[in-house]
Amino acid sequence: AQKITQTQPGMFVQEKEAVTLDCTYDTSDQSYGLFWYKQPSSGEMIFLIYQGSYDEQNATEGRYSLNFQKARKSANLVISASQLGDSAMYFCAMREALLTGGGNKLTFGTGTQLKVEL
Amino acid sequence: GAVVSQHPSWVICKSGTSVKIECRSLDFQATTMFWYRQFPKQSLMLMATSNEGSKATYEQGVEKDKFLINHASLTLSTLTVTSAHPEDSSFYICSARDEGATGGETQYFGPGTRLLVL
Repeated sequence: AQKITQTQPGMFVQEKEAVTLDCTYDTSDQSYGLFWYKQPSSGEMIFLIYQGSYDEQNATEGRYSLNFQKARKSANLVISASQLGDSAMYFCAMREALLTGGGNKLTFGTGTQLKVEL
Repeated sequence: GAVVSQHPSWVICKSGTSVKIECRSLDFQATTMFWYRQFPKQSLMLMATSNEGSKATYEQGVEKDKFLINHASLTLSTLTVTSAHPEDSSFYICSARDEGATGGETQYFGPGTRLLVL
């Protein structure tokens, strides 16, 4: 079974509007972390936001917020006031239980291609 | 956030040659770095975990003799693709955790290396 599921291969949003990118995850661990990364066409992976499984409040970073619903195992990314520069591929990722020795593997979803239109 | 560099950003080589890719953490030390591979329009797949001062941990299905990893210092990991073939052409991207930072969960990615084997 997939550990990270992003069901939207592509999304369109108008400039200045808000958009929600979906992410659901599957884990039996109690302690885990959820991440969102942005990948523009240039290829670099840009860290956007992090949510720990024990964090009671939803994470926010500027125009990015993470709608964390633990019981539903969802971690949707909300981008407010979309800008043309937000057009990129967005990946949701999960870090499961930390391994002894510092291991911290991430499992990525398949990504959502976001296109911001005028 | 922490900065990770990769060199080279682009490499074209002939089939049968070996290619070395460097990953450096510029403003922090990283005992653990990660190497990923990404095919066009696909997600990132973890290849191996690079451990400073010890052997790398390879994911299932990744040939350790083909993808040699050396983590010689706390700021440098190298990936050598030995006897490269056209099917090794891909986007290779590394990441590292700033373990000393608050919220040291986050993996920061290098800009990636595009490898084309002719």
